[in-house]
Amino acid sequence: TVVTQEPSFSVSPGGTVTLTCGLTSGSVSTTYYPSWYQQTPGQAPRTLIYNTNTRSSGVPDRFSGSILGNKAALIITGAQADDESDYYCMLYVGGGISVIGGGTKVTVL
Amino acid sequence: EVQLVESGGDLVQPGGSLRLSCAASGFTFSSFAMSWVRQAPGKGLEWISLISAPGTSTYYADSVKGRFIISRDNSKGTLFLQISSLRAEDTAVYYCAKNDGSGKGRYIDYWGQGTLVTVS
Repeated sequence: TVVTQEPSFSVSPGGTVTLTCGLTSGSVSTTYYPSWYQQTPGQAPRTLIYNTNTRSSGVPDRFSGSILGNKAALIITGAQADDESDYYCMLYVGGGISVIGGGTKVTVL
Repeated sequence: EVQLVESGGDLVQPGGSLRLSCAASGFTFSSFAMSWVRQAPGKGLEWISLISAPGTSTYYADSVKGRFIISRDNSKGTLFLQISSLRAEDTAVYYCAKNDGSGKGRYIDYWGQGTLVTVS
């Protein structure tokens, strides 16, 4: 199972960006329990979204998750400078196994 | 407050072995599945293993199956990863992670700061 993510995205401050998480074979649905993680250089990852669209404690509401078409999506609305990070999605493929995508580097400029 | 503190990372020769530990606190350790995730230098995250809350079920990514063993000591609140037959491509920061309460390991809600394993 290969999970696909855009390698990079650029967004203007205050702008909106939609990151996606797909499968090379098949469609992502809620049954994959998509989750999203943010990581800045030199830091451990931080959980943003789980179960497709539930924000983790303390995560600003400018971060939201959904299913768009056949992919999971992380939407950042009103991007701020400190949103500049790497974002990873993880899919639970069943049988105790999870797969993490290659990550998307978001630049705010 | 949930805390996960990894230790045991080191410089090791190819073919060698190492045991990583993760001391957990701030939650009922014995009630949650736990995972290890690694990140090679300059690369993305890779999920590598999950262990059920009681420790009776274990799961591995194909890349480490047969070489890595995940285990836990619920009486001490500690997670372990025994890594053997190490290769250069195992060089990475290894993160300990707490999973959700479903018991299935569907997502990670807390992460440790990581411990570096260098194979050279």
